Amino acid sequence: EAGVVQSPRYKIIEKKQPVAFWCNPISGHNTLYWYRQNLGQGPELLIRYENEEAVDDSQLPKDRFSAERLKGVDSTLKIQPAELGDSAVYLCASSHRVETQYFGPGTRLLVL
Amino acid sequence: DAKTTQPPSMDCAEGRAANLPCNHSTISGNEYVYWYRQIHSQGPQYIIHGLKNNETNEMASLIITEDRKSSTLILPHATLRDTAVYYCIVRAMNNAGNMLTFGGGTRLMVKP
Repeated sequence: EAGVVQSPRYKIIEKKQPVAFWCNPISGHNTLYWYRQNLGQGPELLIRYENEEAVDDSQLPKDRFSAERLKGVDSTLKIQPAELGDSAVYLCASSHRVETQYFGPGTRLLVL
Repeated sequence: DAKTTQPPSMDCAEGRAANLPCNHSTISGNEYVYWYRQIHSQGPQYIIHGLKNNETNEMASLIITEDRKSSTLILPHATLRDTAVYYCIVRAMNNAGNMLTFGGGTRLMVKP
């Protein structure tokens, strides 16, 4: 069974540029999560989807971050414009309802 | 979700058992104990979880004290590839609690 797929694995951009991350969850998992992990810290939840609906986006900086999960499968997380402090690893995870979450490999973002 | 306390780092000799402790003295009756690990440059990997009883799978064993205020993750024969940050997390298995709150974790170094 394929795991959570994320792309790209690495991204280097200049500040003020836009960037987007893509996630394909495990087949059949209706719940999808985006986490951000700063260097030396544990992951922190940004947003959680139940199918197409964002049910918890309280930690998502809405002035520059946006996310979507069209058709309740793949998801995209966007930052526009990126700032130096956005440099981090962006992790996607999925689960079947409230069961165990499984993580993808993450996208490592460096903003110069 | 209840907070957890873990030692920041531990060493273990290759081939020996690694015993990673976790304190969760404020755990609620409906909260599970989850363990994840994160190998360098990878996403968190699910290891095991439990509620009251001890659990074992192909990766590890989880020992939960009778009062549920602490637990120990046991890797019976640690290898160099077990070097990682190990996170102990407590969470309720319901919609409201369906998020993982990561602490600092324990950085396990397995040495030859």
